[in-house]
Formats: sequence, structure tokens, C-alpha cells
Amino acid sequence: QVHLVESGGGVVQPGRSLRLSCAASSFTFNSYSMHWVRQAPGRGLEWVAVISHDGTMEYYADSVKGRFTISRDNSMNTLYLQMNSLRAEDTAVYYCARDDAENLGLDYWGQGTLVTVSS
Amino acid sequence: EVVLTQSPGTLSLSPGERATLSCRASQNVGSNYLAWYQQKPGQAPRLLIFGTSSRATGISDRFSGSGSGTDFTLTISRLEPEDCAVYYCQQLDRSPITFGQGTRLEIK
Repeated sequence: QVHLVESGGGVVQPGRSLRLSCAASSFTFNSYSMHWVRQAPGRGLEWVAVISHDGTMEYYADSVKGRFTISRDNSMNTLYLQMNSLRAEDTAVYYCARDDAENLGLDYWGQGTLVTVSS
Repeated sequence: EVVLTQSPGTLSLSPGERATLSCRASQNVGSNYLAWYQQKPGQAPRLLIFGTSSRATGISDRFSGSGSGTDFTLTISRLEPEDCAVYYCQQLDRSPITFGQGTRLEIK
């Protein structure tokens, strides 16, 4: 059974950095693109970033471009999101999700990790 | 970017009725690249429909998707109390990937 577990969330001051991790198990991690999606409290879903199965391609939402970096370690079956220059509007639950291998949908999601940006 | 507008914002129906949820795109979206998700309170989203009309693994046949171009629809037949959730459409055709703002479905 596919399992995705996010970690690394917490309270951080504006302007500071945080790195999220997503541990994947029970599937061939290096065969799938992976995404980060976030959800601000009481709001809808916002796509953040995607990385290809081999880590050679990355795409970002305009709202995080230049501040966030998605990466992966296929030897550790782990996805990362490095978040720099954090702003109050980055406060959200961050989900990692697996692409279905054909870019047709996100078929498995973690339970999310909460990031709160506040002074 | 492709803006997805979902309507209605909230839908309140009784068990056994049919729900029709709309997703309108600001640009044409390839039919292969339109998906629908269900999110219940305190839970992660769950993929319902991909490729406009294909049900994801384990999804009830009460859920069906249709549409093309800029207009897409999620239909839920024979509503059950467990269908109470927020439903999101998503396009994966053009970067950046975008979601609609969601439709809240209430079961009376």
C-alpha cells in the first residue's frame, strides 16, 4: 500500500527557512513524478511544485518561484521542499502527492504537515 | 495560467438526489488532463476522476465525469451522506497546474 509521510512543519518567523520532507514507501519511488500541494487554513488547494521521476525537471507556482526548491533523493525514497524567505501567506498544510505516472492526476497523498509563518 | 472556476460554490441536496458540479476553464484544457478530487474535513484530498471521465481505483460508479474544451462536469448520482465534502477540479495540461476554488456539497 502506497504510503507518503510528510514531516518538518512547524512555526517559523517571516524571512526564515524551513525544509519539508516526504518519506515514500511501498512503491517504486524513482518511477514517479512527485508534487507538493498546499492548503491555507480554511482555503482551497494550491499546487506548489512538481519534480520529474529522475529529478531533472522542476516546475513551480509563480507564488513560490525563486523562494522554494523541490528536490528528491531516490536512494532514500524521499521528496523535499526547501522553503526560503517565508512569508505569512505561506502558512498552510503542505501535502506531498504522487503523480499517477501519466500526468493525469495525483493518485496518492500524504496527510500533510502544517507550516505556520508568524513572528 | 489556466483559471478554473467551479460552480456552484455550495450545493445542498438530499440523499438519493443527483449532484452536478461544474468546472469552467479560462482556456481549453486537453481532456486527458482534467481531474476531480474529493476532500473531507481533516483529510487529504482523494483522486476521484482523471482524464475527464475515468474513475480512479476504488471509486464508486456513482461518480462520473464528462466535458471537453473549457467546460467539465462531475456528476454524483444517488447521493449518500458520506458524499458530504468539498470537490475540486484540477488541470494538468499547462504549467502551472491549477485547481478550482472548490464546490462544497452538503447533504441535508
